[in-house]
Amino acid sequence: DIVMTQSPDSLAVSLGGRATINCKSSRTVLNSSNNKNCINWYQQKPGQPPKLLISWASTRESGVPDRFSGSGSGTDFTLTINSLQAEDVAVYYCQQYYDSPPTFGQGTKVEIK
Amino acid sequence: QPQLQESGPGLVKPSETLSLTCTVSGGSISSSDYYWGWIRQPPGKELEWIGSIYYRGSTYYNPSLKSRLTMSVDTAKSQFSLRLTAVTAADTAVYYCARTTYYYEISGYTFDFWGQGILVTVSS
Repeated sequence: DIVMTQSPDSLAVSLGGRATINCKSSRTVLNSSNNKNCINWYQQKPGQPPKLLISWASTRESGVPDRFSGSGSGTDFTLTINSLQAEDVAVYYCQQYYDSPPTFGQGTKVEIK
Repeated sequence: QPQLQESGPGLVKPSETLSLTCTVSGGSISSSDYYWGWIRQPPGKELEWIGSIYYRGSTYYNPSLKSRLTMSVDTAKSQFSLRLTAVTAADTAVYYCARTTYYYEISGYTFDFWGQGILVTVSS
């Protein structure tokens, strides 16, 4: 199985600040047929199911604010939240869909400083 | 947008069978574009894919659970189900159902709409 490792486990950011979450896969997740990386990012607020934010490592889902952005390639990926809002407090997960079984990172908790 | 809702017992005894059902509304379970999946989250742990099923009945299971797992679909009721046998405390988790896109060329699964989840505790 592809192992997904996120860092840090948690971080506290001031309102309006920037949160940066890293995700590393144990092997490449670059799909050579479309040259896209098979990485999703999810947001999970307390008591709610995960919400898909970003697919193909950098494509925002419909309705997701543009302060959320994804980047990276190969084995190293980043989710950046600019201008952090109070409603962004959540746990964020990366997930690879390059190979079966799909696997998730352990999550990164984002809080307000 | 589809809505998914899990149902089933919240408490199961060790060695018994865990059975859950997911009801899909606001979209067709028989869509050729999607699979339907189960994901679980043990308390304080990461998400784990359990398996996915197509409306025609083809299934894909996580190898770690395959020997204990059966998934089925009832298109007339717009439901799909999960049966996990011989449960232990390690199967205690919040179980989510989710709409799944399956990328054949890479055997990849992505989950775009989720149910609210149901906590299943395995305890005597």
